[in-house]
Amino acid sequence: NAGVTQTPKFQVLKTGQSMTLQCAQDMNHEYMSWYRQDPGMGLRLIHYSVGAGITDQGEVPNGYNVSRSTTEDFPLRLLSAAPSQTSVYFCASSFGPSGVKQDTQYFGPGTRLTVL
Amino acid sequence: QKEVEQDPGPLSVPEGAIVSLNCTYSNSAFQYFMWYRQYSRKGPELLMYTYSSGNKEDGRFTAQVDKSSKYISLFIRDSQPSDSATYLCATKKTNAGNMLTFGGGTRLMVKP
Repeated sequence: NAGVTQTPKFQVLKTGQSMTLQCAQDMNHEYMSWYRQDPGMGLRLIHYSVGAGITDQGEVPNGYNVSRSTTEDFPLRLLSAAPSQTSVYFCASSFGPSGVKQDTQYFGPGTRLTVL
Repeated sequence: QKEVEQDPGPLSVPEGAIVSLNCTYSNSAFQYFMWYRQYSRKGPELLMYTYSSGNKEDGRFTAQVDKSSKYISLFIRDSQPSDSATYLCATKKTNAGNMLTFGGGTRLMVKP
């Protein structure tokens, strides 16, 4: 199992550009999430999905779009990049809610994004 | 004000010391409590998981939840240089799916 994979590892964008951060998992997990991590802020939930075709907003969804057409993939789209979106982005997956096994979130290695 | 607060550190201790890491939270609806460990430039990994109040022990690690004071603790006994990492507490409400609320993380350095 590769676990949770994310591409690219690093990315530099100019203000106004758009891009897609890729996330894939091979553990057949129903739940997937996107977080951003900023110094001193911990991880903040951007969007999440409880299954193919089902997505919802987290704490900081503005400026980001997601879709979930398959169980394995959960891409995050930046519509028009802004310097405030400079961050480290983590994708995570889990079996589902409630209970230690179901709740354990497996995180990818992260994508470091800089917006100039 | 953030719902989960954590002292950012860094906390520097000598090898073998007992480490105490703490979080406070403000929302009494939080029922599930977790500690994640994050090594530099890596994704977090689950370290401890508890439901409601009480203690849970796993090897050198003990997680403690006091819901009356809204206080979460992680104790590390016989700390090792390999424990050097950022420790993130996380909480979740019942029926909240996979919506976790994280603290800001505490950076721990264990010196040989």
